[in-house]
Amino acid sequence: EAQVTQNPRYLITVTGKKLTVTCSQNMNHEYMSWYRQDPGLGLRQIYYSMNVEVTDKGDVPEGYKVSRKEKRNFPLILESPSPNQTSLYFCASSKIQGGGTEAFFGQGTRLTVV
Amino acid sequence: AQSVSQHNHHVILSEAASLELGCNYSYGGTVNLFWYVQYPGQHLQLLLKYFSGDPLVKGIKGFEAEFIKSKFSFNLRKPSVQWSDTAEYFCAVNAYNTGKLIFGQGTTLQVKP
Repeated sequence: EAQVTQNPRYLITVTGKKLTVTCSQNMNHEYMSWYRQDPGLGLRQIYYSMNVEVTDKGDVPEGYKVSRKEKRNFPLILESPSPNQTSLYFCASSKIQGGGTEAFFGQGTRLTVV
Repeated sequence: AQSVSQHNHHVILSEAASLELGCNYSYGGTVNLFWYVQYPGQHLQLLLKYFSGDPLVKGIKGFEAEFIKSKFSFNLRKPSVQWSDTAEYFCAVNAYNTGKLIFGQGTTLQVKP
């Protein structure tokens, strides 16, 4: 079954404690990205990757890091989380070329930073 | 820069009413267009998409959307909504042959039984 898998689904942490949210896709997609969803702001892109070892900033990258060492995995790293990073996070993957570029989303990670 | 604007932030309808959600985008080149739906507590799911061809596209659950290139619009419609359509709806655009999706702010639809 084609899917994007995120873990964990829920996470409560304290300010400054490093954390990683994992994301894995099984569709051999080149493009992967992370979004955060906040009320009234829709989904905003944090970082994206167009292929292995190719990553770039999205619209709201401050306070986040990513890596793309393998095509299937795209972890999101918060080195020193702060309360303003409390949000709902989604990982997504898609093809780049051609017309079939709809994004497939993970189940989401609800992060609370206290 | 690309942007997507959804006209309605919160829509309340009674069951069987007709629905139209507006979406406009700004980008001069070839685009792919999408509507996603997010049911309460769930992730985003694709409702429908437009890549090329017939500008009237049909999606799941009776939804359809019309691409009007001259107006840079991709409005979502459903003739008769159901209580189960209560959800948040997002319009999204990406430039052809890029992966990046630009989302609108979302429209919360509440359908009263």
